[in-house]
Amino acid sequence: GAVVSQHPSRVICKSGTSVKIECRSLDFQATTMFWYRQFPKQSLMLMATSNEGSKATYEQGVEKDKFLINHASLTLSTLTVTSAHPEDSSFYICSAPTGFAGQPQHFGDGTRLSIL
Amino acid sequence: AQTVTQSQPEMSVQEAETVTLSCTYDTSESNYYLFWYKQPPSRQMILVIRQEAYKQQNATENRFSVNFQKAAKSFSLKISDSQLGDTAMYFCAFMKPSTGGSQGNLIFGKGTKLSVKP
Repeated sequence: GAVVSQHPSRVICKSGTSVKIECRSLDFQATTMFWYRQFPKQSLMLMATSNEGSKATYEQGVEKDKFLINHASLTLSTLTVTSAHPEDSSFYICSAPTGFAGQPQHFGDGTRLSIL
Repeated sequence: AQTVTQSQPEMSVQEAETVTLSCTYDTSESNYYLFWYKQPPSRQMILVIRQEAYKQQNATENRFSVNFQKAAKSFSLKISDSQLGDTAMYFCAFMKPSTGGSQGNLIFGKGTKLSVKP
């Protein structure tokens, strides 16, 4: 079945570092990908919708300059956390729809980001 | 805006018993989709079951079934013959088709932590 690969799975870095997370659809094309953030013991909250060939759509309260999204191709979306600070520590997970309304989305395995 | 409510933060069940997880949602849409996802400690998101709002028949997947009450906007998950491997967070999620009929994003409830006890 369709698979979404997300890398890296774990990142630990110093405050002020920029971190790039990749989300790749392996056997299907994804014109749209979704980026979610999950705090410990909480639900997944949509951060932004990544659109191939156009700008990402950000949810209210999400800083566009902090969380840069680039949908470089039909199989790759990247989320860059710029100048990361400890409060950016979280679990980030992407998903890609297969394109058919109502069909289950395919999730990456997530990235656990820890900023020291 | 759509909202999804899971009123049970934690639940426990004995192995081999049956447990029901509650979910209610609020929407003015007539066409939408509902999902239950399982998130074990590995934090992978695993699809458990899916329901189309325009189908009256409740979805079933092996030991998992739903009770979909559209008028009441209720979508509960029943797990029969609970197994130790069912221990996980369970999220109820709502999705409406985006413009053009493609997939919109998922809106998740806060989750229910299910513990299956031996």
